[in-house]
Amino acid sequence: AQSVTQPDIHITVSEGASLELRCNYSYGATPYLFWYVQSPGQGLQLLLKYFSGDTLVQGIKGFEAEFKRSQSSFNLRKPSVHWSDAAEYFCAVGRPGAGSYQLTFGKGTKLSVIP
Amino acid sequence: DVKVTQSSRYLVKRTGEKVFLECVQDMDHENMFWYRQDPGLGLRLIYFSYDVKMKEKGDIPEGYSVSREKKERFSLILESASTNQTSMYLCASSHGQSYQPQHFGDGTRLSIL
Repeated sequence: AQSVTQPDIHITVSEGASLELRCNYSYGATPYLFWYVQSPGQGLQLLLKYFSGDTLVQGIKGFEAEFKRSQSSFNLRKPSVHWSDAAEYFCAVGRPGAGSYQLTFGKGTKLSVIP
Repeated sequence: DVKVTQSSRYLVKRTGEKVFLECVQDMDHENMFWYRQDPGLGLRLIYFSYDVKMKEKGDIPEGYSVSREKKERFSLILESASTNQTSMYLCASSHGQSYQPQHFGDGTRLSIL
């Protein structure tokens, strides 16, 4: 069965510092990987996705992620964090299902930003 | 932009009540999903639907049912609400083609007293 692990429950960084959020997955076939962000009281917004091709994926809000098959990882990065990036971040792996695909989510990493 | 609208942001119900959570999307998406979100557990799929009147169980369907009579509307039903169903419920939709992104509503925070 597929699974997603986000090892860090809570991370605190200073504004302007770089950020890396870790994600490891377990899936037998070629993975389809996603990062979502959830601001307080809101739904989830897609940051970026990886289906195939270039292993470095660019997303919205200045985020990028790198797919490393050998490490079963899909870590999210941002070179300089802004206070508005404080939110909860979810990594997910897609698996095919009836008519569509289903997402298996990690448990999330909450990001706090110190001004 | 895709708009997924959940009928209530906050809802308080009593144990044993029948509860309906409604979700509407405006992008003619074939697929719709219901998740529940609990602290420390992330999001877990309850049910999904890939067409009108079609439904498939997700990872935690027990205690829930769903209805999809129209393409744009997907309802989650708690037949007899229990306190362990207190949670945040998120609806999502996606285009039928493989691996198109899922678009989420803002959620319904449901409290069962």
